[in-house]
Amino acid sequence: GQSLEQPSEVTAVEGAIVQINCTYQTSGFYGLSWYQQHDGGAPTFLSYNALDGLEETGRFSSFLSRSDSYGYLLLQELQMKDSASYFCAVRGSNDYKLSFGAGTTVTVRA
Amino acid sequence: DGGITQSPKYLFRKEGQNVTLSCEQNLNHDAMYWYRQDPGQGLRLIYYSQIVNDFQKGDIAEGYSVSREKKESFPLTVTSAQKNPTAFYLCASSIDGTGIYEQYFGPGTRLTVT
Repeated sequence: GQSLEQPSEVTAVEGAIVQINCTYQTSGFYGLSWYQQHDGGAPTFLSYNALDGLEETGRFSSFLSRSDSYGYLLLQELQMKDSASYFCAVRGSNDYKLSFGAGTTVTVRA
Repeated sequence: DGGITQSPKYLFRKEGQNVTLSCEQNLNHDAMYWYRQDPGQGLRLIYYSQIVNDFQKGDIAEGYSVSREKKESFPLTVTSAQKNPTAFYLCASSIDGTGIYEQYFGPGTRLTVT
């Protein structure tokens, strides 16, 4: 099976940088994804890393180290609208399911 | 406008009743998924389907049933056997079932059973 760990909460001010770490244990590994969910809404896809390294998409970047079973999501130039929950998810190579972490609630203060 | 629709947004039922949650997609995706989310928790997979007329149990399938008779539709029935059915239910789809491609989520159905 798969297990993922990420911090439960992070608070930061507008304009700051936040890093959300995710460590995982899987039976096989295919890739690490990140999703954003605003309160009461549907999760939306942010990024996917299958190979080691940094992927940058605008203000958000995602990093993966397969050897360390570790990844992170970096939120830069924080805005109030970035207040949401962020989930990491992994797909092991033994099945086709995505397993999600419990989520990190990011609160952005003025 | 392509997307996933779930209805209704809020659903109230009495204990002991079965209830069916609707999920429809017009994205022409092969794979569809049902997740359950409880307050402050992540998404837990109930059932998934990689292709029409085929589906597999996820991590918490007990007390739930699904069907996949059409590519566009993947209804979920919450049966009276499900001990704690009150939750937020999310349906998702992806191009295929390999897990590589992003999943697109519907707006969710919030089920309350009393």
